[in-house]
Amino acid sequence: EVQLVQSGAEVKKPGESLKISCKGSGYSFTSYWIAWVRQMPGKGLEWMGIIYPGDSDTRYSPSFQGQVTISADKSISTAYLQLSSLKASDTAMYYCARRDLGGRYWYFDLWGRGTLVTVSS
Amino acid sequence: QTAVTQEPSFSVSPGGTVTLTCGLRFGSVSTSYYPSWYQQTPGQAPRTLIYSTNTRSSGVPDRFSGSILGNKAALTITGAQADDESDYYCVLYMGTGIWVFGGGTKLTVL
Repeated sequence: EVQLVQSGAEVKKPGESLKISCKGSGYSFTSYWIAWVRQMPGKGLEWMGIIYPGDSDTRYSPSFQGQVTISADKSISTAYLQLSSLKASDTAMYYCARRDLGGRYWYFDLWGRGTLVTVSS
Repeated sequence: QTAVTQEPSFSVSPGGTVTLTCGLRFGSVSTSYYPSWYQQTPGQAPRTLIYSTNTRSSGVPDRFSGSILGNKAALTITGAQADDESDYYCVLYMGTGIWVFGGGTKLTVL
């Protein structure tokens, strides 16, 4: 089955760091870009950035540049989103999404179920 | 940052037709932005509806259609059903590997 499986919910304290994962299966992981999308409680979707696991080429939204780190380990078909110095405002659901193959249509054709991150003292 | 605009909310009667739009605060949306649309119900991940302006994703009913209307991308739902009550998001490809989501439209079917 073609799917993106995200890591489980996390509860962290302010100031801590966190790395959440997104594992692709059922397809050639290195051939598709993987994006990360944030959704704060009760709010809309925000595009954070994207990585090409084949060569780790990474792009960031200006809103998230320097605030998060996106990486990938192609040997285990997994992309990561790292959040450092967590604040309460990082509390959100984080989704990974696969970009369409070949770059003809520029959209996201497969979504993970999301990882809920809660930051609270 | 570039602002992608959507109506915050919209309502439609069952069986009715509704058109949601996706614009740019400054400028016009064209097919070159490859607008795509996603549906999200509470507690669920987004579901891809439309890509590249007007192509339905696999399994999406043909009551959903996409287009460019004037200077905006548009998502039209014809014959709205109760389970179309969701949040709808557009996203535009800005080039150089960057995408921007609109703020989303909360659609009520009543």
